[in-house]
Amino acid sequence: DIQMTQSPSSLSASVGDRVTITCRASQGISNYLAWYQQKPGKVPKLLIYAASTLQSGVPSRFSGSGSGTDFTLTISSLQPEDVATYYCQKYNSAPFTFGPGTKVDIK
Amino acid sequence: EVQLVESGGGLVKPGGSLRLSCAASGFTFSSYSMNWVRQAPGKGLEWVSSISSSSSYIYYADSVKGRFTISRDNAKNSLYLQMNSLRAEDTAVYYCARKNGGNPFDYWGQGTLVTVSS
Repeated sequence: DIQMTQSPSSLSASVGDRVTITCRASQGISNYLAWYQQKPGKVPKLLIYAASTLQSGVPSRFSGSGSGTDFTLTISSLQPEDVATYYCQKYNSAPFTFGPGTKVDIK
Repeated sequence: EVQLVESGGGLVKPGGSLRLSCAASGFTFSSYSMNWVRQAPGKGLEWVSSISSSSSYIYYADSVKGRFTISRDNAKNSLYLQMNSLRAEDTAVYYCARKNGGNPFDYWGQGTLVTVSS
């Protein structure tokens, strides 16, 4: 099975900073990569699919890129409401494995 | 409005069984594959099982294979997860989630907590 890894596992940044999270698949998954945001005590929310397509309603400060095995999620200007854990997921075929998550908070 | 509402969670002893349900509304349930995802306390998301729209294709995570059974009733707009031989490590919030065709999980329920403890 394909394994998903993320780095860093956590980060602390200032409001307005550019934040980048990396996700890596152990084998190529083309662009079948999604990013989810889970705020504390809340349900996961789909942010990005097909590696770079923003889900409807997601602020444009979020962007995704990558293909194959290496992917990134970028928040162009970190806002207080972006405090959350971010997960990547492969969804081309089962098992639909999630990455271990990256916890983002405000410095 | 798409809604997914899980039920059936609770406290169960190791080795026991529990059946989770997910009631769907606001979309044509029979057209979508459905999934269960769990999250242990303070941990990350773990995909558990998937069932295609007509139940033709069913998949399980290795951690639950042989113990859990996913099923659905399209006439009742409902998804189920029968959990047998439960272990302490199955303690988690269980979410049902809709998979939108070739796209990922676009709607999630609020989750139901399963606690396995003596």
